[in-house]
Amino acid sequence: EVQLVASGGGLVQPGGSLRLSCAASGFTFSSYEMNWVRQAPGKGLEWVSFISGSGATIYYADSVKGRFTISRDNAKNSLYLQMNSLRAEDTAFYYCSTMFAYWGQGILVTVSS
Amino acid sequence: EIVLTQSPATLSLSPGERGTLSCRATFSINSLAWYQQKPGQAPRLLIYSASTRATGIPDRFSGSGSGTDFTLTISSLEPEDFAVYYCQQHGGPPYTFGPGTKLEIK
Repeated sequence: EVQLVASGGGLVQPGGSLRLSCAASGFTFSSYEMNWVRQAPGKGLEWVSFISGSGATIYYADSVKGRFTISRDNAKNSLYLQMNSLRAEDTAFYYCSTMFAYWGQGILVTVSS
Repeated sequence: EIVLTQSPATLSLSPGERGTLSCRATFSINSLAWYQQKPGQAPRLLIYSASTRATGIPDRFSGSGSGTDFTLTISSLEPEDFAVYYCQQHGGPPYTFGPGTKLEIK
């Protein structure tokens, strides 16, 4: 069974940093491209970032470019999102996903003073 | 960047009725997906490449369209189908989503 379990969310002050993790199981993680998608409370879905299976190809949404860094450790079957210079508008549930067929549970990131 | 619009914003129907949801892109695309999301849950992939049902999706869900105009049809609504539906272009980044259509019980 495919499982994606996110962790690392919480409350952070504006300008602060947070690192999200996503532990994958039930599939050959290194063979799958992965994404982070976010959803502000009560709002729609916003794609955040993509990483290829090897980690060699990475893309970001303009809204997070230069502030967020996606990475993966295939030996640990894990996906990461390092979030720096956080803003109030980054407050959202963050989902890890394969190429959108499988999704983890949302992890809440709240940016507030 | 491709922008997706969905209509209607809210659709009020009764169980057993046919539901038709629309998604329009600002430029021609060849990879469109549909998702269902219920409160407190992650999105669920229903359709990809405009018309291919994802694994385990009932055949009452069907997708059609090409170019800039796409449609998700639910042939006979079941109580569990009332949710929010999003379209998304998945041909290349940015993988933009539409704003969603809320399908509510009439």
